Amino acid sequence: ELKVEQNPLFLSMQEGKNYTIYCNYSTTSDRLYWYRQDPGKSLESLFVLLSNGAVKQEGRLMASLDTKARLSTLHITAAVHDLSATYFCAGGSGGGADGLTFGKGTHLIIQP
Amino acid sequence: GAVVSQHPSRVICKSGTSVKIECRSLDFQATTMFWYRQFPKQSLMLMATSNEGSKATYEQGVEKDKFLINHASLTLSTLTVTSAHPEDSSFYICSGHLHSTDTQYFGPGTRLTVL
Repeated sequence: ELKVEQNPLFLSMQEGKNYTIYCNYSTTSDRLYWYRQDPGKSLESLFVLLSNGAVKQEGRLMASLDTKARLSTLHITAAVHDLSATYFCAGGSGGGADGLTFGKGTHLIIQP
Repeated sequence: GAVVSQHPSRVICKSGTSVKIECRSLDFQATTMFWYRQFPKQSLMLMATSNEGSKATYEQGVEKDKFLINHASLTLSTLTVTSAHPEDSSFYICSGHLHSTDTQYFGPGTRLTVL
């Protein structure tokens, strides 16, 4: 059974700073997803990581995957207030058509 | 592209009644759809996998007779919460799987409150 752990669960940071959210998973997962959720809203897909060493970047967010360490990271560069949200990582197996196992989420607050 | 809608967005009902939630993929066909539940300030938990034209697959601990799922077409799945109780109050989110991107796209969610 796949288990996904995120840390930290809560992060308060100042604008302009860099930080990393970590996502560890327990068993082989052939894909790792990162989603963003704003309060009261559903999930917005950020990244899909499919192979070891995969790195994807979009704006101030960069995600990477190390399948040997069973670790994915979401790095935030020069944070801005608009990035305040809850970020979830999720693992899946058996191709993308399997249900996802989510981490508990990282509640990120970026203060001016 | 890859938009999923849910209806209603919010529903309040009395204990013992049934509530139907619709999940539609608006611009793609979703052979597989998923239903998740999210309690306040918690993560999403997979409830069931809905495959078009076949019976849904439920996760352990999810009562199939209480949470009825119907995936009658490639763009519509429905979740019916039968004989709802206050502990069923939650945020229900569906997703549709898009083959070309191998990604699940999530609907906006339905907030169910059972009085």
